[in-house]
Amino acid sequence: DAGVTQSPTHLIKTRGQQVTLRCSPISGHKSVSWYQQVLGQGPQFIFQYYEKEERGRGNFPDRFSARQFPNYSSELNVNALLLGDSALYLCAAKPQPTYNEQFFGPGTRLTVL
Amino acid sequence: QQQVKQSPQSLIVQKGGISIINCAYENTAFDYFPWYQQFPGKGPALLIAIRPDVSEKKEGRFTISFNKSAKQFSLHIMDSQPGDSATYFCAVAGGTSYGKLTFGQGTILTVHP
Repeated sequence: DAGVTQSPTHLIKTRGQQVTLRCSPISGHKSVSWYQQVLGQGPQFIFQYYEKEERGRGNFPDRFSARQFPNYSSELNVNALLLGDSALYLCAAKPQPTYNEQFFGPGTRLTVL
Repeated sequence: QQQVKQSPQSLIVQKGGISIINCAYENTAFDYFPWYQQFPGKGPALLIAIRPDVSEKKEGRFTISFNKSAKQFSLHIMDSQPGDSATYFCAVAGGTSYGKLTFGQGTILTVHP
C-alpha cells in the first residue's frame, strides 16, 4: 500500500495570495487531519475531516479552510497569505476519527515571500 | 497554554550510548502517548506509543516509560546509532481532544560515531 501522499512538495507564494494543498490518504483510511509545522516547532493541529465533514478544528484563523472528497482525499486552502504562514503543512490519515494512531505524509513546504 | 513540555531541546550522545528524552503533560484525560521520529524534509513517523494502563513498553531498542502519577513519560533509545540522529517529538491525545495529537516542541538528537 502506498503511504499518505501530498502535493505539491514545495510552493512559493507572495503575501496576500491564496494556496491549495492536496492530500491523498492511505487506502481504507477515511479520516484526514491537517497540521502546520513551523520550523523548529512541533506540528500544530489545524483540521480533522471524516466522511466529508469537519470533525475538529484547531486555533487557526478563518483564512484556513479545508474539504474532503468522496474518495477521502482532502484539500487545505489558505487565503490572504501572511509571512507567518510559511511552514511545513502535514497531512495525517487514519481509519476513523476515534483512532489515535495517525500516519503522516511527507508534507508540503510553503514559503511566503 | 502549553499542554506538553518536552526536554531537552537538543541531545548529543556517542554511538552505543543511551538517549533519554522526557515529556510532561497537564491534562489527566489524555490516554494515548506516542513518540514520533522526523528526519529533515520528511513527515513524522510513529516510533512507539503507550497507553496509561502500562508503565513501560519496549520495541527493539526503543522503550517508553510512563509515570501516570507524575504525568510524565520518556523515550529511551538503547545502543544509539548515528542513523537515529533525527528530531523526536512526544505527543498526547485523548479526552476532549480525541483523535487530535498535541505535540511537544521536539528534541534534536545527534549520535556521534
